[in-house]
Parts: sequence; structure tokens; C-alpha cells
Amino acid sequence: DTAVSQTPKYLVTQMGNDKSIKCEQNLGHDTMYWYKQDSKKFLKIMFSYNNKELIINETVPNRFSPKSPDKAHLNLHINSLELGDSAVYFCASSPKPDRIKGELFFGEGSRLTVL
Amino acid sequence: DQQVKQNSPSLSVQEGRISILNCDYTNSMFDYFLWYKKYPAEGPTFLISISSIKDKNEDGRFTVFLNKSAKHLSLHIVPSQPGDSAVYFCAARNFNKFYFGSGTKLNVKP
Repeated sequence: DTAVSQTPKYLVTQMGNDKSIKCEQNLGHDTMYWYKQDSKKFLKIMFSYNNKELIINETVPNRFSPKSPDKAHLNLHINSLELGDSAVYFCASSPKPDRIKGELFFGEGSRLTVL
Repeated sequence: DQQVKQNSPSLSVQEGRISILNCDYTNSMFDYFLWYKKYPAEGPTFLISISSIKDKNEDGRFTVFLNKSAKHLSLHIVPSQPGDSAVYFCAARNFNKFYFGSGTKLNVKP
């Protein structure tokens, strides 16, 4: 039973299209994240939601809009896709921050290719 | 501005020997440090962590060392096995935010 699952795993689309990636976690965590792994392999945080509330919003174009219908789901919608949006997008979740523990649990990633 | 850096993109080690992966950070507010392992076409999986109040944490073949004065973190794998071949990411946490390095690709040769 997958802890953090995201769909689709692969997405190929044309420039200018709108697409969504969905994420669900069954770990009971309060906090969920979207990370982007670019061509240089850095994992960069994009957004974070805590119990449906946006708590982290990094410098991301407003073509990217996260939506959290409940604390187990965090979806990412991207409007007017550009070539530079091609990357692997990882969803993750974590329990409440704790001094001793509190790691991130990642999904398998969604590879987006914009042509 | 990368707050967590892994300066070695790759490392090759013979099976049975020690693998040492290094990581440097700049933000003294980080309170928790982690190592993740990643295989191709999979998400990163948690390996081991250390709180900023400790300097060493051991779990089987894996040991993480933290040198706060040098803002340096290292992961030791002893003995290295071919199945350890993967990309290893160092990460650091500041409250709810996790910052990642660019990864080190470890190749353990049989």
C-alpha cells in the first residue's frame, strides 16, 4: 500500500497546455509538499500545505497553483506550460516537526516533458 | 542560493570498503539533518537522520556525523555493498522547510 502516491508518473504535453498532477498520502501527516527536480538534479521546494493551509510558497511563477482539498491530498495545476517546466515533480509529506524526527516521505515522482 | 551543498557529484568505491559522502550547509538555524537514497525512476527514500543536538547517529552499516562548528555533515557506509549504488541526497530542515543538496552518485563495484 503506497504511502505517498502521485499520478501521472509520466506526462508529455505541448507548450501552452494546462496540466495537473495529483498526490495523495495515507500516512495521516498534516504537511504536504511539492518539490521540483530540475535538470541539474537539485530538489527545490515549491509549495507546502499544513492541514489544507498554504504555509510555504517559494518564488514560483503564478502559472503554478497548488490545491489541497483535504490534508491527505495536494494537487498541482500548471497553466500555459513552458519548455522550462520540464522536470520531475515530487510530492512529499511529513509529520509535525519534531526535534528528534520528522522526515519527508516522497512519492515516486511525475516526469513532465513539455515539447 | 544553495544552503545545502554536496560538492562531489560522484563517488566510486570497492565492495567491502568504506563509502564517505560529504555535505556542507550554511544556515545555522537548521535543526535536523537527513540523508536520502534515490534509485532511478523512484522517489527519494529516507535513510538516516541526526538532530542538531547530536554529533553522531548510527544505524547498522550507516553512520551520520555532524560537525556544527564546520557546518559539515557526512554519511559513512561500512561495509559498502553493490546494492548501495544510488544517488544520495543530503537534506537539512528549518522548521517545516527541507533543503536538499544536488546529490552524490555512489557506485559500489563488486
